[in-house]
Amino acid sequence: GAVVSQHPSRVICKSGTSVKIECRSLDFQATTMFWYRQFPKKSLMLMATSNEGSKATYEQGVEKDKFLINHASLTLSTLTVTSAHPEDSSFYICSASGDGDSGNTIYFGEGSWLTVV
Amino acid sequence: GQNIDQPTEMTATEGAIVQINCTYQTSGFNGLFWYQQHAGEAPTFLSYNVLDGLEEKGRFSSFLSRSKGYSYLLLKELQMKDSASYLCAVKDSNYQLIWGAGTKLIIKP
Repeated sequence: GAVVSQHPSRVICKSGTSVKIECRSLDFQATTMFWYRQFPKKSLMLMATSNEGSKATYEQGVEKDKFLINHASLTLSTLTVTSAHPEDSSFYICSASGDGDSGNTIYFGEGSWLTVV
Repeated sequence: GQNIDQPTEMTATEGAIVQINCTYQTSGFNGLFWYQQHAGEAPTFLSYNVLDGLEEKGRFSSFLSRSKGYSYLLLKELQMKDSASYLCAVKDSNYQLIWGAGTKLIIKP
């Protein structure tokens, strides 16, 4: 079946630095990718929707300049957390839907734990 | 506004059956998803319903009634590994996914 790979699975960075998280669709073309953030014991919070070749659509309250999303190809989207602060520590998950399944199935990456110290 | 309601937590016994309900009020409907999420891991896809009725897949079944804005996930022959959170999500008229807060299922021996 379709697989979405997310990297890194865990990252620790210093406050003020930037961190990039990659999301790749391994065996299908992902026209749309979604980035979520999840706090402990909470549901998924959609941060942004990215479409290949165009600017990402950010949800209300999500800072575009802080969470940079690039969807440069049909198999890769990246989320860069810029000037990270401890409050950015969270579980970040990407998901993707492709052309072949009419968007009825959404596949998730493994998630990335970000800890900012 | 758009809303997805699920019970916060449920407890069941190993080997038994449990039903997790989900009610929704959304602007339009283009399908309902159930996902399983173990602590610290990403969600995994369980089922997708777009038409009324029951979809059976092994030990898991999902039911949808669009007129009632209601779905349930039925888990049979519960195993300890089924202890997880179960997320209900609805795709609205803009094809955006609206997520429920999830139901934490605790399985006891």
